[in-house]
Amino acid sequence: EVQLVESGGGLVQPGGSLRLSCAASGFTFSSYWMSWVRQAPGKGLEWVANIKQDGSEKYYVDSVKGRFTISRDNAKNSLYLQMNSLRAEDTAVYYCARDREPSPYCTNGVCYDYYYYYMDVWGKGTTVTVSS
Amino acid sequence: SSELTQDPAVSVALGQTVRITCQGDSLRSYYASWYQQKPGQAPVLVIYGKNNRPSGIPDRFSGSSSGNTASLTITGAQAEDEADYYCNSRDSSGNHAVFGGGTQLTVL
Repeated sequence: EVQLVESGGGLVQPGGSLRLSCAASGFTFSSYWMSWVRQAPGKGLEWVANIKQDGSEKYYVDSVKGRFTISRDNAKNSLYLQMNSLRAEDTAVYYCARDREPSPYCTNGVCYDYYYYYMDVWGKGTTVTVSS
Repeated sequence: SSELTQDPAVSVALGQTVRITCQGDSLRSYYASWYQQKPGQAPVLVIYGKNNRPSGIPDRFSGSSSGNTASLTITGAQAEDEADYYCNSRDSSGNHAVFGGGTQLTVL
């Protein structure tokens, strides 16, 4: 069964740090981009960061740049999110998701300059609360 | 603010058809993907690509796209379809993912 299981959430004071983990199983983890997505209480989904298969490319939403670091260990089938200098607005459920790299739309042997992209496997999430 | 714009709430009578829309410049280059999220649960992918459904997603869910607007259509909405729906794509840089603000669907 394809599965993602997050852990590491909890209560932390403003300015503190936390490291989230995501354990992958049931698929070849090293073949996929991976993302972290968060959802603040009562709010919508917000993409946080993603990382290429070999870890050579990483991208972040502006609000976490310089504070959060995404990483992976393909030997351990694990994804991580190191969160430093945490703020109250980082309070959220954090999901890891399998990120399907953008691919061109092709039909009848012709490929177009139009892409499809999606996140097809999600974990159940881990809750991070930043409060004093 | 989100680069993908969705109506905050939509309602539909049981068994009728409803369309949920998503607008954004990146949709001129990307098909939107769509996710269903019920309270207390993780999002579930329901539509991706031109109009593809993952295994287990009912065929009453369909997707379409025109210009900078993507649409998720539920034909014959059921009570269990009541949920929040989010669209998603990469942004204009191609490196960052982006979600719409979400649409809360109520089935009357």
